[in-house]
Amino acid sequence: GQSLEQPSEVTAVEGAIVQINCTYQTSGFYGLSWYQQHDGGAPTFLSYNGLDGLEETGRFSSFLSRSDSYGYLLLQELQMKDSASYFCAVTSGGSYIPTFGRGTSLIVHP
Amino acid sequence: DVKVTQSSRYLVKRTGEKVFLECVQDMDHENMFWYRQDPGLGLRLIYFSYDVKMKEKGDIPEGYSVSREKKERFSLILESASTNQTSMYLCASSLISGRSYEQYFGPGTRLTVT
Repeated sequence: GQSLEQPSEVTAVEGAIVQINCTYQTSGFYGLSWYQQHDGGAPTFLSYNGLDGLEETGRFSSFLSRSDSYGYLLLQELQMKDSASYFCAVTSGGSYIPTFGRGTSLIVHP
Repeated sequence: DVKVTQSSRYLVKRTGEKVFLECVQDMDHENMFWYRQDPGLGLRLIYFSYDVKMKEKGDIPEGYSVSREKKERFSLILESASTNQTSMYLCASSLISGRSYEQYFGPGTRLTVT
């Protein structure tokens, strides 16, 4: 089967940098995605890593190490609006369907 | 912009009622999904469909069924609602190839079964 581990909660202050880690166990790994969900809102796609390395999109970056079965989401210059839940998700085993982690609640303090 | 809409934001039903949750997407996506989201458990896949009239069970299909008569519409049916089906239900869609990992979600239906 598949399993994903990510911290349940992370706190940081405005303007700081925060890293949300995700480790996974799966066979036939394809890639790792990240989604953001604000309270009461729909999850929205942030990024996808199919290859090792760092993908940067503005203040957000995502990293993947296939050999370590590990990835992270890096948020820079944190803003209050970044307070949300962040989910990592793996696609693997010939399926296009992502399996989601339990989510990390990011709380940004002023 | 892809738009996924769900028929209700909030729904209150009684135990034993038959419940229909509707989802419509406007981007001609082949794949459609139903998830339920509960605190601390993340998103769990109930059913998905990769084509009209096709359906596949996800991780937690018990107590649910689905219907996809048109490409843009995917319905989730609770045949006899129970209190343990009180949850947030999220519909999503995606392409069948290329960026299939990128799902587009609807706003969710918060269902309460009393």
